[in-house]
Amino acid sequence: EAGVAQSPRYKIIEKRQSVAFWCNPISGHATLYWYQQILGQGPKLLIQFQNNGVVDDSQLPKDRFSAERLKGVDSTLKIQPAKLEDSAVYLCASSPVSGNTIYFGEGSWLTVV
Amino acid sequence: QKEVEQNSGPLSVPEGAIASLNCTYSDRGSQSFFWYRQYSGKSPELIMSIYSNGDKEDGRFTAQLNKASQYVSLLIRDSQPSDSATYLCAVPTGGGNKLTFGTGTQLKVEL
Repeated sequence: EAGVAQSPRYKIIEKRQSVAFWCNPISGHATLYWYQQILGQGPKLLIQFQNNGVVDDSQLPKDRFSAERLKGVDSTLKIQPAKLEDSAVYLCASSPVSGNTIYFGEGSWLTVV
Repeated sequence: QKEVEQNSGPLSVPEGAIASLNCTYSDRGSQSFFWYRQYSGKSPELIMSIYSNGDKEDGRFTAQLNKASQYVSLLIRDSQPSDSATYLCAVPTGGGNKLTFGTGTQLKVEL
């Protein structure tokens, strides 16, 4: 069974530029998550989708972050404009149902300079 | 109070010893609990889940849950250098729909 796919794996951008990350969840998983993990901290949930609807986006900085999950499969997370404090790993994860075991992709490493 | 709390460590144990990792949570309604292991530069991977009070054993790993005390722990027996990693405790919050992670405990197993 293929795992959660993410791209790009690494990205370096200047502050105020924009960046987009893509995620393809495990086939059949209805729930998709985007987590932000800053070095030395645990993953923080940014947004959670159930199929193509948003379940929780309470910690998503909506002035600069946006995410969509068209057709309930792939998802894209965008940051515009980026700030230095956005430097982190962006982890996409999926699960068959909400609150159940979640499976992470390898992450997209963002460095903002 | 944070929703999920862990001691950040590092916790250092000698090879062959028992490593004990602890986690407390604030949501009394939480029904399931997860331990993830994260190697440096890698993404978290699930190693244990526990749903009922008491102990659950899987190989060298034992998860312990005490819902009355809102406490979950992970014991690693016969610790190996390959166990050196950060261990993340995760608990469903917000009515069970959102998985919230602690900050993780860094474990170092020394030769």
